Amino acid sequence: KAGVTQTPRYLIKTRGQQVTLSCSPISGHRSVSWYQQTPGQGLQFLFEYFSETQRNKGNFPGRFSGRQFSNSRSEMNVSTLELGDSALYLCASSQGQGSPYEQYFGPGTRLTVT
Amino acid sequence: AQSVSQHNHHVILSEAASLELGCNYSYGGTVNLFWYVQYPGQHLQLLLKYFSGDPLVKGIKGFEAEFIKSKFSFNLRKPSVQWSDTAEYFCAVNRRSGGSYIPTFGRGTSLIVHP
Repeated sequence: KAGVTQTPRYLIKTRGQQVTLSCSPISGHRSVSWYQQTPGQGLQFLFEYFSETQRNKGNFPGRFSGRQFSNSRSEMNVSTLELGDSALYLCASSQGQGSPYEQYFGPGTRLTVT
Repeated sequence: AQSVSQHNHHVILSEAASLELGCNYSYGGTVNLFWYVQYPGQHLQLLLKYFSGDPLVKGIKGFEAEFIKSKFSFNLRKPSVQWSDTAEYFCAVNRRSGGSYIPTFGRGTSLIVHP
């Protein structure tokens, strides 16, 4: 079974631009969660999508948004990029929503904002 | 603020030494507890989890963790580490919020095991 895939793996953007990251979950998984990982803050939860609906949201500004398609693939968008948005963005999929379902993580997209 | 604390940021051990990584959380309600591991160059993966029942849970590769509700702790242990246990370890808590769960991760502990 193929794992969670994320594209692109690396991205360099400049301040003020916007970016879209993509995540393909494991086949059959309907829940996709997004996390931001930085050395200073660790892993922080962005949001979770299940059946094309945002079910949970972390404490991030509205510049961070996402969506999920009918095939469970998900995209995350960050508008008006700031230097502090430089991070590893991780996607995780699971069969169901939230606990107790195990999350399977992808390799991440490394975003650098200059 | 509600949080998950991992007290040891960097741990260096020799093979065969015993390991205990601390994890404390500050939520008073219903929680589910997890330990994840990230080996060098690999994805984050689940090591073990606790939802209910026996507070001593066993995971993969000989790891175990004990949930002590009165101490709001979920410490990870392994009696004898191996070089291959070198990795980053993350404690995570899913706290109930309305009809769903919000995940919060600790900042991670980097473990280096010398052969």
